[in-house]
Amino acid sequence: DAGVIQSPRHEVTEMGQEVTLRCKPISGHDYLFWYRQTMMRGLELLIYFNNNVPIDDSGMPEDRFSAKMPNASFSTLKIQPSEPRDSAVYFCASSFIFSHPGTGAPNYGYTFGSGTRLTVV
Amino acid sequence: QKEVEQNSGPLSVPEGAIASLNCTYSDRGSQSFFWYRQYSGKSPELIMSIYSNGDKEDGRFTAQLNKASQYVSLLIRDSQPSDSATYLCAVNSGGYQKVTFGTGTKLQVIP
Repeated sequence: DAGVIQSPRHEVTEMGQEVTLRCKPISGHDYLFWYRQTMMRGLELLIYFNNNVPIDDSGMPEDRFSAKMPNASFSTLKIQPSEPRDSAVYFCASSFIFSHPGTGAPNYGYTFGSGTRLTVV
Repeated sequence: QKEVEQNSGPLSVPEGAIASLNCTYSDRGSQSFFWYRQYSGKSPELIMSIYSNGDKEDGRFTAQLNKASQYVSLLIRDSQPSDSATYLCAVNSGGYQKVTFGTGTKLQVIP
């Protein structure tokens, strides 16, 4: 498997422009996550999907951000309009969940994509 | 109080020594705990997961969990320069798949 694939790797855009980030999760993974990483705030969960349905978008900073997952193999994160404070590395991750055989605890771990470094000038 | 707290470091250890990385978390209902390694400019990579109190060993890595103290640690034995990276502690909270990350501890292994 090629892993989680994100595009583009780098994006430089002017303030006010629309930005679309793309993600292809690992086949068979039924959870998909969008994270943002900055030096100041670390990794922040923006939104996650289960079986293409958004489950929790409480981390989406404001209405300028939107995410979709039209099918099991593709998701987008859109920022419109973009602002300089949106500059960060955006990671997509996918996972599947199963019960730990000993404890019954949810057993899973994320596989991250290579990330998109967004710079808004 | 942050949900997951780590000392940002850097933590410097000589090659061959044991590196000890620590993490505390605030949600007593958390059940799943993870350590990720992130090299500079790269994406996080899962190296250990732990779900029960006690120790879990995998090669040179040992994860330790103490739910009563809300404390997770990672020990790296025989540290190598290639272990130099930022180590992220992650804990599930608010739902099985909702994982919160600490800001990471930067480890430097000195040859």
